[in-house]
Amino acid sequence: FILTQPLSVSESPGKTVTLSCTRSGGSIASDYVQWYQQRPGSSPTTVIYEDHKRPSGVPDRFSGSIDRSANSASLTISGLKTEDEAAYFCLSYDRHNWVFGGGTKLTVL
Amino acid sequence: QVHLVESGGDLVKPGGSLTLSCAVSGFTFTEYYLTWIRQAPGRGLEWVSYISGSGNTIYYADSVKGRFTMSRDNARASLSLHMNNLRVEDTATYYCARGTSSYFDSSGYFTDWGQGTLVTVSS
Repeated sequence: FILTQPLSVSESPGKTVTLSCTRSGGSIASDYVQWYQQRPGSSPTTVIYEDHKRPSGVPDRFSGSIDRSANSASLTISGLKTEDEAAYFCLSYDRHNWVFGGGTKLTVL
Repeated sequence: QVHLVESGGDLVKPGGSLTLSCAVSGFTFTEYYLTWIRQAPGRGLEWVSYISGSGNTIYYADSVKGRFTMSRDNARASLSLHMNNLRVEDTATYYCARGTSSYFDSSGYFTDWGQGTLVTVSS
């Protein structure tokens, strides 16, 4: 299966942005979706797991959801801060295979 | 504190071999599955391989199956990725990452990542 993400998104500080991740081949609900943030020059970190859960330390400005009708997952970041500028990758799993989306570069300006 | 430190990245010619290592600390090694994930320069993330906490279960991405071998030494708390018949398209930063249990389950995710080691395949 394939996970498709928009290449880039821009939004202003303080605003809310929603990043999408659309699954082709199989249902988005067939396994959980995770979201990883990768700031420039750094390793990825988890911001969402099990579609909507946040690891400890991730602010509640980050939220995740899935839309079965659109066969997609979404990462919403509210109250945008300049530190949120990063690449965001969705990830899911199917039959011993982990698949990342291509990533969305979020610019906060 | 959990630490994962990759090493072994180098410049290698197409068709060559290389072994990457990942040294870990800060957790009980056998209680967690580990994975290798790579990122080509300026590109996205690609999962490469998975190994269970015991080392009994290993999975590979189709792109590396038959060429890469992942292993772990639970006595030494170390992880390795032996790469044969390297191709130009294997050029990437390789990360090791820790899972959330000894075997992957649907709620699992990659909690901790190393800083990565760069493999360059070029003639």
